[in-house]
Amino acid sequence: GQQLNQSPQSMFIQEGEDVSMNCTSSSIFNTWLWYKQDPGEGPVLLIALYKAGELTSNGRLTAQFGITRKDSFLNISASIPSDVGIYFCAGLDQGAQKLVFGQGTRLTINP
Amino acid sequence: ETGVTQTPRHLVMGMTNKKSLKCEQHLGHNAMYWYKQSAKKPLELMFVYSLEERVENNSVPSRFSPECPNSSHLFLHLHTLQPEDSALYLCASSQNRPGTDTQYFGPGTRLTVL
Repeated sequence: GQQLNQSPQSMFIQEGEDVSMNCTSSSIFNTWLWYKQDPGEGPVLLIALYKAGELTSNGRLTAQFGITRKDSFLNISASIPSDVGIYFCAGLDQGAQKLVFGQGTRLTINP
Repeated sequence: ETGVTQTPRHLVMGMTNKKSLKCEQHLGHNAMYWYKQSAKKPLELMFVYSLEERVENNSVPSRFSPECPNSSHLFLHLHTLQPEDSALYLCASSQNRPGTDTQYFGPGTRLTVL
C-alpha cells in the first residue's frame, strides 16, 4: 500500500527556534493534511492543503503542498513550549478512499 | 474540542472481559472511522462506516466488532482481547465519503489489556 516518509523522526530544539519537517510519498495525493497530537489525546488538524503549490498559514505555522503532489512540508516559526508534541502528515487517497499517515515527528523544546 | 467525543478515556480489562468503546460526533458528518495507535507505529485504520454502512474492514481480528447504529454514533465491542491489543483507539469522522474529506479525531480511549 501507499506509504509516507516523514522526517525527521524527532527534533530537539531551543525555545524560539524555527522548525521544519516534511513528508514525501512515492505516489500522488490530492489533499495533504497536517495534525498535531499531544500526549494521551487524539490528533488535532492544523492545516489542510487542497491544491498543488498551495502555501497556507495558520498563525506561526506554514505548510506547502508540493508542486509534484508527492510531498509537503510544515514550518513552525519562533517555537514556544506548547508546540511540544507529535506532528503527523497525512495524504488523502481518493482512489483508495483512505487517509495515509506518516510516522510522525516528535518535537521537544528546551526552555 | 473537535466535536468528536469518546468514552471511556481510559480502560483496563482482562483477557476474558467484554467491553465497548463509544464514539459520538456532533458535526453532522456522514462517515466515521476507528483507528488503532500503538507505540512507534503509524496510525492503523481498522474500520470505516459511511452512512451507517461498513465500507472497509482492514483484516481486523474478529475479537474487535464495530457497530454504527446511526451516523452520529460508533461503537467498538471488545471481547477476549490479547495484551498486544493494548493501544490508543481513536475515532474520527468526516463530512462525506471516506477519502474525500478531512477527518476530525476524538481524544481516544487508552486501552490496557492485562
